[in-house]
Amino acid sequence: DGGITQSPKYLFRKEGQNVTLSCEQNLNHDAMYWYRQDPGQGLRLIYYSQIVNDFQKGDIAEGYSVSREKKESFPLTVTSAQKNPTAFYLCASNNLRGETQYFGPGTRLLVL
Amino acid sequence: SQQGEEDPQALSIQEGENATMNCSYKTSINNLQWYRQNSGRGLVHLILIRSNEREKHSGRLRVTLDTSKKSSSLLITASRAADTASYFCAFNTGANSKLTFGKGITLSVRP
Repeated sequence: DGGITQSPKYLFRKEGQNVTLSCEQNLNHDAMYWYRQDPGQGLRLIYYSQIVNDFQKGDIAEGYSVSREKKESFPLTVTSAQKNPTAFYLCASNNLRGETQYFGPGTRLLVL
Repeated sequence: SQQGEEDPQALSIQEGENATMNCSYKTSINNLQWYRQNSGRGLVHLILIRSNEREKHSGRLRVTLDTSKKSSSLLITASRAADTASYFCAFNTGANSKLTFGKGITLSVRP
């Protein structure tokens, strides 16, 4: 059953703590993306990767970091430098032709 | 960034009515797509229309694209309460694989 998974569903961060959100896909897609969605807002691109071991900053990369060591996996770390991390985080993937993006179910990050 | 802009921001209709949502953009595009998001969930792809196409249908969905006006419309016919969701347009410029998303339209279908 092909798809894209994210974990955990909910994540709580303490002040000063780094947390990592997981994203895995078995669609054999080259490109993967991380978006942030605030209540009632659209999607803002944090980072994206079009090939293993390479990634580019999106519109709001400050306070976040990513890695792409495997084609299937694109974890996002929310660092302590991100002062307002409370949001809904969505991971997606697609082919390099920029066609349909497949989304994971999302991770809701809350600050304690 | 060159965000798409949807119109209206919110739409409330009665079950059985048609819902029309519009999207405008500012750059040349390779394709334009519409997505749906139920509350607290990920986005689901609805339909893709390429820059050389003018109209496309999928079930109760009809999407049009006018590249001269840099705009697209999504029509949902015979709406159902289950169509209640947020709808986003997104476009690809062809420069890379990224999509640029609009801010979304909240559709409420009253039973």
